[in-house]
Amino acid sequence: GENVEQHPSTLSVQEGDSAVIKCTYSDSASNYFPWYKQELGKGPQLIIDIRSNVGEKKDQRIAVTLNKTAKHFSLHITETQPEDSAVYFCAGSGDKLTFGTGTRLAVRP
Amino acid sequence: NAGVTQTPKFQVLKTGQSMTLQCAQDMNHEYMSWYRQDPGMGLRLIHYSVGAGITDQGEVPNGYNVSRSTTEDFPLRLLSAAPSQTSVYFCASSLLAGAGGEQYFGPGTRLTVT
Repeated sequence: GENVEQHPSTLSVQEGDSAVIKCTYSDSASNYFPWYKQELGKGPQLIIDIRSNVGEKKDQRIAVTLNKTAKHFSLHITETQPEDSAVYFCAGSGDKLTFGTGTRLAVRP
Repeated sequence: NAGVTQTPKFQVLKTGQSMTLQCAQDMNHEYMSWYRQDPGMGLRLIHYSVGAGITDQGEVPNGYNVSRSTTEDFPLRLLSAAPSQTSVYFCASSLLAGAGGEQYFGPGTRLTVT
């Protein structure tokens, strides 16, 4: 089955700086890669996703890039704000979603 | 729409007790799933269902049972609770399975087994 690795496990940035979270996957058949944000005490919520026929996708301050050859994808958050502080999960999917182990992002005011 | 609801929010069980975690969605989604979240291990799939009357095992199914008699409800049963089942449990639903698109998560149930 699919195996998704996520790094780093914790990330601390200054407000206004950029944050990058990286994931690798093992199953070349995976074709859907979503990113979820989980705030304290809540369930994860989708923030952006990308399919394998696309190399990059942007939504305001958030972007995701996908390198199918290397089997890795990344989340980029620019101009970080305190409300970006949360745990972020990447996932890869063929028929079922497999999640990474999460990155705890702290944005320092 | 209420989205995905889960009850209870918190539960403490003694080893050997059984209980049912409730999950309901009002979005007419065919696909529903249960995950457990443990520190440093992300979200791991326990069981899932692609429609009423159809269920299947995920990555960590042992000690759990599910059924799907209606599109809306997908309860998770712990048969004989063990300390290793202490975790936060999330139910999720989506229009389609896997690569089909966004999964909507409930608020979670925090379970402690002593």
